[in-house]
Amino acid sequence: SQTIHQWPATLVQPVGSPLSLECTVEGTSNPNLYWYRQAAGRGLQLLFYSVGIGQISSEVPQNLSASRPQDRQFILSSKKLLLSDSGFYLCAWTQRERDTQYFGPGTRLTVL
Amino acid sequence: AQKVTQAQTEISVVEKEDVTLDCVYETRDTTYYLFWYKQPPSGELVFLIRRNSFDEQNEISGRYSWNFQKSTSSFNFTITASQVVDSAVYFCALWGGSQGNLIFGKGTKLSVKP
Repeated sequence: SQTIHQWPATLVQPVGSPLSLECTVEGTSNPNLYWYRQAAGRGLQLLFYSVGIGQISSEVPQNLSASRPQDRQFILSSKKLLLSDSGFYLCAWTQRERDTQYFGPGTRLTVL
Repeated sequence: AQKVTQAQTEISVVEKEDVTLDCVYETRDTTYYLFWYKQPPSGELVFLIRRNSFDEQNEISGRYSWNFQKSTSSFNFTITASQVVDSAVYFCALWGGSQGNLIFGKGTKLSVKP
């Protein structure tokens, strides 16, 4: 069966510091991968998605970036965090676009 | 344009009450998929159901049931005999054939009190 992991689970970072969040999927190959952010207002915002190694599509321009160095690994990064980057970051995978997206446990990021 | 509306921001019920969460969607696609997810306080989104646009049969799974009506563009979710463990935020989502990604509603926070 497939599982999706995210780490760290929680993170507290100062403004201006770098960020690296990792997401990995087990039990499947060539998945579509997604990064979402959920701010305090509960809505889910799609940040990035990837259909393959090195292929990243950005939905919202901001100071975040994503990379996919391996088939089942998806990384969310920032060179300098802003207060507005605080939120709950969720990674998801699906085998094909129209299939169900399955979510990881999430990373709660607080920028102070 | 694709859109999902969950008009109920918060609902509070007492245990054992039945509760219906509303979801209205907009799409011009003839082929599309609808989803419901549950987000308990722990934060992880848990998949509940996926329904394609050609299947209007209602679905029942234990205390959960879903009513899909294309005529009103609605995909409502009913919990029968609610329990405290049902307390969560519930999201409705749409994947339309012409778009590449899932469109989520803003969610409905359900509180079930003992």
